[in-house]
Order: sequence, then structure tokens, then C-alpha cells
Amino acid sequence: AQTVTQSQPEMSVQEAETVTLSCTYDTSESDYYLFWYKQPPSRQMILVIRQEAYKQQNATENRFSVNFQKAAKSFSLKISDSQLGDAAMYFCAYRSARGKLTFGQGTILTVHP
Amino acid sequence: DAGITQSPRHKVTETGTPVTLRCHQTENHRYMYWYRQDPGHGLRLIHYSYGVKDTDKGEVSDGYSVSRSKTEDFLLTLESATSSQTSVYFCAISESVGANYGYTFGSGTRLTVV
Repeated sequence: AQTVTQSQPEMSVQEAETVTLSCTYDTSESDYYLFWYKQPPSRQMILVIRQEAYKQQNATENRFSVNFQKAAKSFSLKISDSQLGDAAMYFCAYRSARGKLTFGQGTILTVHP
Repeated sequence: DAGITQSPRHKVTETGTPVTLRCHQTENHRYMYWYRQDPGHGLRLIHYSYGVKDTDKGEVSDGYSVSRSKTEDFLLTLESATSSQTSVYFCAISESVGANYGYTFGSGTRLTVV
């Protein structure tokens, strides 16, 4: 079974600074997909970024980028130029080729003005 | 999102009673999921479906059953509710399994078992 681990229950960052959220996963599959989701207090789940395991190039979406290390089974999220609106719970997620989506425990991000 | 609806939004029930939560979609997506969210645990997969009448267990399936008799509805049943099943339940849908296919989540159902 796949497991996803987020070792940082809480993180904080100053506005305009950069922060990195960690995620590791365990799998025996070679074909899979990784995601980062954001959940603000409204409980809505918002897709931040996604990565296909077969792609070596790290995904980037504006201020959000990932550091995907397949051999190490690591998938960290970097948020540059942090904004107050980035404050939320962030979840790392793994999707198997069969469609099963597994989440990590989440990291609460606080952004200080 | 307009394409996925969970009902009810809130429910309080007594220990030992059966409870059914409904997830309804209008997107004709193949994959549907039920998760529970608890502090410190993130979203944990209860059951998921990869087609009509095709379901599989997740990591916390004990005490829960599901049914999917048609594409648009995925029902989650607690046969005999317990206080440990107090949680926020989310449904999600996905058209396919490729990375280009994202997930749409429902707004959640807050269930309290007293």
C-alpha cells in the first residue's frame, strides 16, 4: 500500500519570503502521479500543482514549484514570494495508476505580514 | 463545485444508528471517492469506485460500506454509527487517472455521532 508522509505539521513564513513544504511517499509502483492541494478555512480543496512520475522536469505553476526526487521518493513544494492568501492547510497526494488517491497528513502554513 | 453535491451538509446522529451519505455528480466521471478528514490525519481514503458496481477499499474502510448502482451516485453507509466516526466526510470525482485529470471535491459533510 502507498503511504504519504508530511513531517511538518506546521510551518510559518514572512510575507514575500520563500517556504518549502516537505513530502515523502512510499510505493513499489513505477507509474504514478503526485499532487499538492491547498485547503483554506472554507474547506474547499484547491489543486496547486501536479507532477507525473515519468517526467524528470520539475513542475512549476507561477510562484509554486516542486522538487521531485524520484529515487528518494520525495516531492517538496516551494512557495516563492509568499502572500497572505497562501495561508492554508497543504496536502501532498499520491495517485496510483489505478486511480487510488492517497493524502498526507497535511501542513498548516501561516503567513506573517 | 456545481458538478458534485454532497448531502446532507450536516448531520447529528446517535450511536448505533445507520447513516447514509450521498455523493451526486453531474459530470459523468468514472472515478468517485469517499474520504474522512480528522485533525492530524489529513484526508484518509475510505472507499473508492472506478465504475458502476466497481468499488475498492481504502485505508480506513472498517465500519463503512459503499454502493454505486449508477454513474452519478456514490453512497457511503455507516451500518452502526460510532463516536469514532465523527468527522468531516468529503466526496471527490475524477474523469480518469492521468495527471491531466484533476479531482473535483464536494463541500463536505460534517457528521457528529453522539
